[in-house]
Amino acid sequence: EVQLVESGGGLVKPGGSLRLSCTPSGVTMSYVWMSWVRQTPGKGLEWVGRIKSKSDGGTTDYAAAVKGRFGISRDDSRNTLCLQMNSLKTEDTAVYYCTTEMEYYSGSGSPGYYMDVWGKGTTVTVSS
Amino acid sequence: DIQMTQSPSSLSASVGDRVTISCRASQSISSFLNWYQQEPGKAPMLLIYRASSLRSGVPSRFSGSGSGTDFTLTISSLQPEDFATYYCQQSLSTPYSFGQGTKLEIK
Repeated sequence: EVQLVESGGGLVKPGGSLRLSCTPSGVTMSYVWMSWVRQTPGKGLEWVGRIKSKSDGGTTDYAAAVKGRFGISRDDSRNTLCLQMNSLKTEDTAVYYCTTEMEYYSGSGSPGYYMDVWGKGTTVTVSS
Repeated sequence: DIQMTQSPSSLSASVGDRVTISCRASQSISSFLNWYQQEPGKAPMLLIYRASSLRSGVPSRFSGSGSGTDFTLTISSLQPEDFATYYCQQSLSTPYSFGQGTKLEIK
């Protein structure tokens, strides 16, 4: 069974930095695309960004709200995914989930994707 | 960016009821639409991908339909464990986007 465990959440002041980690078990991370999704208190889900597998280029994509402030990286040798968060704002307060992103054949020529396995999440609070 | 709008935002129903949740995309997303269920205090869980494909292990009372801009999640006969919040999500292109959620409550 694939499991994901996030860590690194906590309380940080506005303008500060925090580094989240995600460690999968039951899967070799090097073959898997990974994403971060956050959920603000009492609200819905917001996609933060993702990183492709190295065999697919290892490139990253980000939501506009975090682009330039957040960075996603992967260390496949340690089976670890990281989310480096800089210049944090109060609106970044959320539960952060890491997920695996799986590809499926859509039948239309382009592949589709879904977020398959989710971690339990780690809470980030940005407050003075 | 693609906006996703769900309706209703909340819904009261009884065990055994048939319920339908709608999701609309701001532009055509073909069938690149996923549905997730989130129980209170837990992480979301994938139910349906590609608009109508049931994830392995998900009960057959869940079904999805639609393409283009309009999609539907149907639960044919509500069970006690189905009272949760449901989200649609488009995966046509990044930035991926979710609907605001539909909270299904016991009547």
